[in-house]
Amino acid sequence: DQQVKQNSPSLSVQEGRISILNCDYTNSMFDYFLWYKKYPAEGPTFLISISSIKDKNEDGRFTVFLNKSAKHLSLHIVPSQPGDSAVYFCAASVTSYDKVIFGPGTSLSVIP
Amino acid sequence: KAGVTQTPRYLIKTRGQQVTLSCSPISGHRSVSWYQQTPGQGLQFLFEYFSETQRNKGNFPGRFSGRQFSNSRSEMNVSTLELGDSALYLCASSWDGTNTGELFFGEGSRLTVL
Repeated sequence: DQQVKQNSPSLSVQEGRISILNCDYTNSMFDYFLWYKKYPAEGPTFLISISSIKDKNEDGRFTVFLNKSAKHLSLHIVPSQPGDSAVYFCAASVTSYDKVIFGPGTSLSVIP
Repeated sequence: KAGVTQTPRYLIKTRGQQVTLSCSPISGHRSVSWYQQTPGQGLQFLFEYFSETQRNKGNFPGRFSGRQFSNSRSEMNVSTLELGDSALYLCASSWDGTNTGELFFGEGSRLTVL
C-alpha cells in the first residue's frame, strides 16, 4: 500500500516554462512534506519542504503548494532550466520521530 | 564537512550469499536511515537507527537487518540473497532523527544479485 503517490512517471517541459510535479498521499496523519531531487549516480538531495500548518512555501524558483483537504501537494518550478532535469521524489512524515515515506518519483526533462 | 559515505559503491553477489553495506553519517548526525531504491518503486524505507537503537522499521523480511555503532556509523546486512534484492541501497543521516528536517543521503551502494 503506497502512502505517497506520484502518478506521473515522467514529465517533459520546455526551458523557461513552468514545471508542475504532483503528489498525492493517503495517510491523513502526515504533517510534514518534502521534495527531493536526484541526479543519476548521486543520492537524493533535499529541495524544499512544507508543514501541514501552511499551504505554500517558496524558495527561489521552487514553490510547494499543499492542499490538505485533497491530500495533494505540488511542486512548481518557474522558470524551468535544463539543469532541473532529474528525478523528483515527494516524501512525507508524521513528526515525532517517524520514518520518512517516499513516493516513486517523477522524471523531469527540461528541453532547451 | 564530509558528506554521507557509503561503501562499497558497487558489488556483485550470487543468490544465497550474504552482504554487508556500510554507512558513515555526517559528523554530529545521530540518526541513520536506510532505503532500497528499485525502478518504479521509489525509495522503500528499510529501517532507522538512532543512538544505536532501531527506532523505526519498514516492511522488509527478517533477512534485512542493521545496526549502529557508538560513533553513529551504521551497517546493514542482507542474508540469503535473492535476485529481487538487486537494488540501490541508500543511507541517509540527520542530526537527531526529527523528520521535520532534511535527510542527507549518500551516493548509495549498487547491489547486483546473480
